[in-house]
Amino acid sequence: SAVISQKPSRDICQRGTSLTIQCQVDSQVTMMFWYRQQPGQSLTLIATANQGSEATYESGFVIDKFPISRPNLTFSTLTVSNMSPEDSSIYLCSVEPGRSQETQYFGPGTRLLVL
Amino acid sequence: AQKITQTQPGMFVQEKEAVTLDCTYDTSDPSYGLFWYKQPSSGEMIFLIYQGSYDQQNATEGRYSLNFQKARKSANLVISASQLGDSAMYFCAMRGNQAGTALIFGKGTTLSVSS
Repeated sequence: SAVISQKPSRDICQRGTSLTIQCQVDSQVTMMFWYRQQPGQSLTLIATANQGSEATYESGFVIDKFPISRPNLTFSTLTVSNMSPEDSSIYLCSVEPGRSQETQYFGPGTRLLVL
Repeated sequence: AQKITQTQPGMFVQEKEAVTLDCTYDTSDPSYGLFWYKQPSSGEMIFLIYQGSYDQQNATEGRYSLNFQKARKSANLVISASQLGDSAMYFCAMRGNQAGTALIFGKGTTLSVSS
């Protein structure tokens, strides 16, 4: 299994500011995924981050709003830029460990409230 | 395109009883995987069980089993001997079997277990 940590675990931010969320994995993984879960909703994929290349964004998500870095095989960051109250969500990173496609693990999530 | 449908917004069960959470899916991929996750109020996503589309037998993990009916495109989760700690949101998800493919989630079912 993979152990995933996220920082911060939660934050309260003012609109117009930006927050960078860190995701650290205890083993090397090729792909990391960033999801958003708005209050009372399911998880929606923001982007897929492959080490050494630009992140691939899903429809409705753009790099200017959610820039992602993937400097190595164990770490990624997601920035939520120019925040508005609609960005209040849980942000989760996820990885597919090793060669097994039978599991996909999630970090504990970052609870963001934008005032 | 892939789609996951969970039609039960909420389910109620008494301790020690079994409960079935419904999940149907749609995909044009010939090979795919189906997943169930548990999300308690803390927000973490806990992986429960996986079923591959070519697996001949239904997956089981302790008190969890997956009732996989490929022709009906259903992948229901069965929890036996419910416990109070099973109260949570449950998500069904799927993805194609290419490495690095992200999960697509259903809307979830809230399970409440009473004593």
